[in-house]
Amino acid sequence: DQQVKQNSPSLSVQEGRISILNCDYTNSMFDYFLWYKKYPAEGPTFLISISSIKDKNEDGRFTVFLNKSAKHLSLHIVPSQPGDSAVYFCAASGRAGKSTFGDGTTLTVKP
Amino acid sequence: KAGVTQTPRYLIKTRGQQVTLSCSPISGHRSVSWYQQTPGQGLQFLFEYFSETQRNKGNFPGRFSGRQFSNSRSEMNVSTLELGDSALYLCASSLEGLMNTEAFFGQGTRLTVV
Repeated sequence: DQQVKQNSPSLSVQEGRISILNCDYTNSMFDYFLWYKKYPAEGPTFLISISSIKDKNEDGRFTVFLNKSAKHLSLHIVPSQPGDSAVYFCAASGRAGKSTFGDGTTLTVKP
Repeated sequence: KAGVTQTPRYLIKTRGQQVTLSCSPISGHRSVSWYQQTPGQGLQFLFEYFSETQRNKGNFPGRFSGRQFSNSRSEMNVSTLELGDSALYLCASSLEGLMNTEAFFGQGTRLTVV
């Protein structure tokens, strides 16, 4: 039973355009959501997070949207840059105290 | 401030052997979590240790175990290795735990079982 799903294994966008990465979850007890970015041969690094009391959080080129009724969140990167090419993991946590990760989406930004 | 350090970076073992991986968290972080990453499987949660106690556990067999020392350093042990255990093992540290806070990951240990 996969509680956090990233249905698109890969995404390719042109430099300067918007990248939208999606994530769905099933556990309504999740109340904190995070996005991590992972380059090859490195561990994931934290990118941006959102609490369930909000529906949007922005940090520079990165914006995360949360739709609680749909149990869906998305990460928008505008404008996309070649250096954004990486694997993006969505993670969710709740009172159980552990983060559950999705399978990741590989983003390729073409120059 | 030093980041999360995992040793060794690479490891090759044969089936049936056991292996111990080490993780040194960021100074002051009391929570250490372990994840297994395999192609197409994302990050699978193994367990979390907080103040030397296992606080959370994922759905892995008993061959996977861990411990945390008083200085918050953690070790993960896998006994009777199987080919399917080949993966990148990531350690993450955080101040209080994975709830409502970001985790800092190490570079991982790439384990290959032959």
